Amino acid sequence: KAGVTQTPRYLIKTRGQQVTLSCSPISGHRSVSWYQQTPGQGLQFLFEYFSETQRNKGNFPGRFSGRQFSNSRSEMNVSTLELGDSALYLCASSIQAQGRITEAFFGQGTRLTVV
Amino acid sequence: AQTVTQSQPEMSVQEAETVTLSCTYDTSESDYYLFWYKQPPSRQMILVIRQEAYKQQNATENRFSVNFQKAAKSFSLKISDSQLGDAAMYFCAYRRRGETSGSRLTFGEGTQLTVNP
Repeated sequence: KAGVTQTPRYLIKTRGQQVTLSCSPISGHRSVSWYQQTPGQGLQFLFEYFSETQRNKGNFPGRFSGRQFSNSRSEMNVSTLELGDSALYLCASSIQAQGRITEAFFGQGTRLTVV
Repeated sequence: AQTVTQSQPEMSVQEAETVTLSCTYDTSESDYYLFWYKQPPSRQMILVIRQEAYKQQNATENRFSVNFQKAAKSFSLKISDSQLGDAAMYFCAYRRRGETSGSRLTFGEGTQLTVNP
């Protein structure tokens, strides 16, 4: 079974631009979460989607948004990029069935550099 | 809000020896999960071990075991017979239990483990 796939792996953008990152969860996983990892702030939760609905949201500005499609694939978008948005963005998927949620399985991340 | 604290930014161990990584957390919940994740240089987070708060028995996975002290809100990871491949950043993580809570994880700051040959 294929793991969580994130594309692209690396990205360089200019301040003020916008960017879209993609995450394909493990087949059958309907929950997708996004995290930002930086040396200064560590791993911070961005948001979680389940069945195309945002279920949880972290403490990030509105420039960060996401969505989930009917096939459970998810995208996150960052508009008006700032230098501080440079980070590793990690996506994780998990199953939710019969009231249970499995542990999260992570992708390899997208390394975003804003210049 | 839940918080997770790892007070050891760096640890080192000799190959074949045992090392313990510390983690404390703060929560008002009584039912939750705790995890240890490993992040090698490839950056992919890999689940090492999980513990369900309602279970008193400490979880073990081969060379990895935890010491879960619920009253003290402590969750340490012991790695026995350390191998070079164990070198990585280790993160302690917390997740509330319950369908409505979703799969949101709260992570500690991480502990960089070096294994010396």
